[in-house]
Amino acid sequence: EAGVAQSPRYKIIEKRQSVAFWCNPISGHATLYWYQQILGQGPKLLIQFQNNGVVDDSQLPKDRFSAERLKGVDSTLKIQPAKLEDSAVYLCASSLGYSGGFEQFFGPGTRLTVL
Amino acid sequence: GQQVMQIPQYQHVQEGEDFTTYCNSSTTLSNIQWYKQRPGGHPVFLIQLVKSGEVKKQKRLTFQFGEAKKNSSLHITATQTTDVGTYFCAGRGAGGGNKLTFGTGTQLKVEL
Repeated sequence: EAGVAQSPRYKIIEKRQSVAFWCNPISGHATLYWYQQILGQGPKLLIQFQNNGVVDDSQLPKDRFSAERLKGVDSTLKIQPAKLEDSAVYLCASSLGYSGGFEQFFGPGTRLTVL
Repeated sequence: GQQVMQIPQYQHVQEGEDFTTYCNSSTTLSNIQWYKQRPGGHPVFLIQLVKSGEVKKQKRLTFQFGEAKKNSSLHITATQTTDVGTYFCAGRGAGGGNKLTFGTGTQLKVEL
């Protein structure tokens, strides 16, 4: 079974530039998550989709971050404009369902460095 | 909002020694999950605990969920170099919703 795919794996940009990350979840997984993991910290949920609808985006800095999952499969996360404090690993995860305690499968992440 | 803390932040052990990490939530949890993240890797699911006082074992790993469902622990018996990594607990609030809040993590280093 193929895992969660993410691209790019690494990205270096200057502050105020824009960047986009792509995620393809495990086939059949209805729920998709984007997390931000700053070095030395646990993953922080940015946004959660159930199919193509947003379930939770309470911690997404909406003035600069946006995400979409148009066809309920793959997803993109965009930052515009980037700030120095956005330097982190952006993890995409998926799970089979929404309710209850479904385990989350994580992708390899995109390491973003903002200079 | 819900906060999940873990102690210790770091732990260095000699191979063969035991290791324990503790997880404490500011609110009651409906369930708790544990993940392991190897250096440079991504979190990988280990286990989920749902019932108050639940204890589960996976080979040398023992997971426990507190009676009040606000704390949990992971104990590794006789650590091996393959146990190196950061262990995260992740709790789901009892008040509804499906959001997992990850703990601060415990980084384990095992020396020969």
